[in-house]
Amino acid sequence: QKEVEQDPGPLSVPEGAIVSLNCTYSNSAFQYFMWYRQYSRKGPELLMYTYSSGNKEDGRFTAQVDKSSKYISLFIRDSQPSDSATYLCAMSAEAAGNKLTFGGGTRVLVKP
Amino acid sequence: NAGVTQTPKFQVLKTGQSMTLQCAQDMNHNSMYWYRQDPGMGLRLIYYSASEGTTDKGEVPNGYNVSRLNKREFSLRLESAAPSQTSVYFCASVERGANYGYTFGSGTRLTVV
Repeated sequence: QKEVEQDPGPLSVPEGAIVSLNCTYSNSAFQYFMWYRQYSRKGPELLMYTYSSGNKEDGRFTAQVDKSSKYISLFIRDSQPSDSATYLCAMSAEAAGNKLTFGGGTRVLVKP
Repeated sequence: NAGVTQTPKFQVLKTGQSMTLQCAQDMNHNSMYWYRQDPGMGLRLIYYSASEGTTDKGEVPNGYNVSRLNKREFSLRLESAAPSQTSVYFCASVERGANYGYTFGSGTRLTVV
């Protein structure tokens, strides 16, 4: 079983819809939770990060962490065609030297 | 633009050939990483260098070697390429001790035939 599980999709939504992405994990030592966006044939870029449990909002993006359930989410409101990309969750623990452990990524397609 | 530069962008190798993937960053970061990305597998850590002069194995180090040439440069070497090493390779860097904010290069697409 992978340490971080993520539905591969693809997830296809109409423009303006809310996109909901999530990951589950098994390692309770994870403390930092990140979402990366990766456009086709590009490297991942950091979208948001959260420390421990709670919510964080940045414009159209909201990240949620529920450590008790070992479950993290990313919501994209008012989705745009430019949001079409692969979204990767990543996690790290100080005890492991802060190395990132990634989920498999979810491909999102926002149709005009 | 500041960031992580990887060369080459594409490469085709025959089984048994060797090659070195180059990575350089100009952000004065201490820590550098090599990942491989395969469909549905996310990114898996091959090797990393927490600081200049140190290197350590990651999750999937077999078949690879690394060299931290100086603070800016971190290379990945395939001594005898195998078809299982067909993948997209990403280099990343971050300030030592930072828990987020990794900067990734644009990747090297390697095919081993």
